[in-house]
Amino acid sequence: AQKVTQAQTEISVVEKEDVTLDCVYETRDTTYYLFWYKQPPSGELVFLIRRNSFDEQNEISGRYSWNFQKSTSSFNFTITASQVVDSAVYFCALKGYNTDKLIFGTGTRLQVFP
Amino acid sequence: NAGVTQTPKFQVLKTGQSMTLQCAQDMNHEYMSWYRQDPGMGLRLIHYSVGAGITDQGEVPNGYNVSRSTTEDFPLRLLSAAPSQTSVYFCASSYDQDRGQIFFGSGTQLSVL
Repeated sequence: AQKVTQAQTEISVVEKEDVTLDCVYETRDTTYYLFWYKQPPSGELVFLIRRNSFDEQNEISGRYSWNFQKSTSSFNFTITASQVVDSAVYFCALKGYNTDKLIFGTGTRLQVFP
Repeated sequence: NAGVTQTPKFQVLKTGQSMTLQCAQDMNHEYMSWYRQDPGMGLRLIHYSVGAGITDQGEVPNGYNVSRSTTEDFPLRLLSAAPSQTSVYFCASSYDQDRGQIFFGSGTQLSVL
């Protein structure tokens, strides 16, 4: 069975702090894809990143970085120097090979205070 | 290029009423799907389609129907609305199962009284 666990329900930080959102997944597929989406208070889902299981390189995009470790089945997301605009619910999701079905975690609500 | 368009944004129904949530995409994507988002449960797949004329059930299909007569449109029908169907509904599309981004619509907030 496929499963995504985001153990952190809610995180609060003060602006400029670094914050890491955890994501642990379970799958029997050898090829799979991992995603992160941001859901701001306005409600839409904003795509952040897609990672293939055969590409374990970490990725950095501005203040965002992702750490993919197959050995621990984790795909953690770090925001450096957080800003108030980063306040949102962040979802990690898993997709198996040859399927369009996304398995979502329950999300982590991040609140960044000024 | 509008992406994935969902209508309406908000809807209130009475128990037993039927309605259709509309979803359209203009990216020529083969794959489309419907999810519902409930507090503390993330998003769960209702139905999906891998192309025109082909649909299949997801994780929580009961009480919903779909059809895919064209590549662009993938409407979700509530046959007889129940309070348990109060949720936020998202439509998604992608070009290919194993390439590229999965795009989401802006969501429909549905309340069933």
